[in-house]
Amino acid sequence: DTEVTQTPKHLVMGMTNKKSLKCEQHMGHRAMYWYKQKAKKPPELMFVYSYEKLSINESVPSRFSPECPNSSLLNLHLHALQPEDSALYLCASSQERNTEAFFGQGTRLTVV
Amino acid sequence: AQKVTQAQTEISVVEKEDVTLDCVYETRDTTYYLFWYKQPPSGELVFLIRRNSFDEQNEISGRYSWNFQKSTSSFNFTITASQVVDSAVYFCALRNAGGTSYGKLTFGQGTILTVHP
Repeated sequence: DTEVTQTPKHLVMGMTNKKSLKCEQHMGHRAMYWYKQKAKKPPELMFVYSYEKLSINESVPSRFSPECPNSSLLNLHLHALQPEDSALYLCASSQERNTEAFFGQGTRLTVV
Repeated sequence: AQKVTQAQTEISVVEKEDVTLDCVYETRDTTYYLFWYKQPPSGELVFLIRRNSFDEQNEISGRYSWNFQKSTSSFNFTITASQVVDSAVYFCALRNAGGTSYGKLTFGQGTILTVHP
């Protein structure tokens, strides 16, 4: 089973809202990732967690706050977003940081 | 710094044609990993293949084949007898084996493949 599950699939939020994106994997992977993808562009790395510790933050604005409650779950907390933050947010996991990453279907976020 | 270049922005073929997607990479690392992903309209990135820098053996999987040439820093992807279901965006990606960016996938800009019936 190479499944990464993301919820919700679609999200519309106002600029004053607080929401969370959730990601779950049960493959025993020890690395998890958040990527942001704008239309017609490649995914851009936001955060990397390795063994439940944040190992990479690609200078992401603080209105995005990641959390890794356990080895199977990864959250992305959103607060005071801007319309330009509208994008597809992809979660991924891999056995280790040098192995292939498996992606979820993403959350299509629209900020109004 | 790492860089992946997919020079073909869009490719259009007719079903049953063979098509090759080009990928050229730049890295200073001696150990690295190369990947190809497929992204259909649904949005999920589907893993296709991983190649380690120390393994230049080419690979074939059904209608898919990959040609890794370290001498030219290229990792090209060929689809034989293309089908409509192959229509998607294809990304080539590079990952280093350590350092402060360990774990980061550097993607190319992607190639949009359209296969017409």
